[in-house]
This record gives sequence, C-alpha cells and structure tokens, in this order.
Amino acid sequence: DAGVIQSPRHEVTEMGQEVTLRCKPISGHDYLFWYRQTMMRGLELLIYFNNNVPIDDSGMPEDRFSAKMPNASFSTLKIQPSEPRDSAVYFCASSLGDGETQYFGPGTRLLVL
Amino acid sequence: SQQGEEDPQALSIQEGENATMNCSYKTSINNLQWYRQNSGRGLVHLILIRSNEREKHSGRLRVTLDTSKKSSSLLITASRAADTASYFCAVSGGSYIPTFGRGTSLIVHP
Repeated sequence: DAGVIQSPRHEVTEMGQEVTLRCKPISGHDYLFWYRQTMMRGLELLIYFNNNVPIDDSGMPEDRFSAKMPNASFSTLKIQPSEPRDSAVYFCASSLGDGETQYFGPGTRLLVL
Repeated sequence: SQQGEEDPQALSIQEGENATMNCSYKTSINNLQWYRQNSGRGLVHLILIRSNEREKHSGRLRVTLDTSKKSSSLLITASRAADTASYFCAVSGGSYIPTFGRGTSLIVHP
C-alpha cells in the first residue's frame, strides 16, 4: 500500500480564499483523523471519522472549518474563508481501530497571506 | 480525553550516547504509543505498549510503562545522528482515541 496520501503538499493562498485539503487513507482502515500542527499549539486533533461517519469534531476551531468523508477512500478538509492564523501543517492519519497505530500522511503545509 | 506530557522538551546529546525521554499522564490508560517526527515529515509509529505490559523492545528502542506512576519512558541506545527528530507519546484512555503530547525535540550531534 502507498500509505496515506495527502494533496496538495504545499498551499499558498490569500486571506479570504477557500482552501480544500485532500486525503486518501490506507485501504481497509476504518478510522480517519485530521490534525493541525503549529509551533504554538503543537499537534491538535481537529476531527475524526469512523466508517466515513464524523464521530468527534470538537477540535474544529470554527465554523469556517468543515470536513467530509464521502466514501472510505477519500476525505476533505475545507477552510472557507481562510485567515492568516490558519497557517499550519495539516496532517491526515488513518488506523484500523480506535486505539491502534495511526499512519500519518506527509502533511499539507498551508500558508495564508 | 487526556494528553501525555513529554519531558524534557529538548534533549541534546552526542552520537553513541543513550537518550531517554519520559511521558506522564493523569488517568488510567488502555495503551500508550511513541511516535517519531523528522523535520517536515508526518509522524511515524515506533512502539505501542498496552496497559498490562511493562516493557517492550524494538531494535535500539526500549519502552517501559509504569502504570502506578502513570509514566512511560523511551530509551534510544547508542544514538545516531539520524535519530535527530521530535518524539511524541500518545495515550489512549477511555475514549481509546490517542491524544498526543507536545513532544521532545532530540538533537544527536555527530
């Protein structure tokens, strides 16, 4: 398996623009996680899905953030409108079970100007 | 959910020395995991230790778990420059979803 795939790897956008991050989990993994990492706040769990259903989105910072998982092989994290404070590295991870090993993608480095 | 706290925040050693980092947590856990993150990369899983286990090994890595003290340690023996990275612990409690700490930044000087 190719591992968790994320796209794009880098994104530079202007404040107010819509940003869409994409993730393809490892085939057969039932759990998918979205994280945000910054120097100030460390690694934050934004939302996670089980069998394509959002289970806990309490980490989503604001209504500007939304995430979907239309099928077992694809998820998106959308920020609309984006703000400079959203600049961070966004990671997607997947796992077989809820307490099991998480496999991380390479991340998307987002810069909002 | 609870969060593990790594200690120290930063560690600088010479190649060949051992590196020890610790993780403390507050409530009972189901398992505890250690991950490594190289600069600019995603996290990579190292070891998972369950609450009924006391020690696990993987190559040059040794993880111990003391549930009475609510702490775990990661020992890297005979460190190499390539071990330079950030190391995170992730604890799984009642909700089972692992929660990551802030990490220990390890620098190994050649």
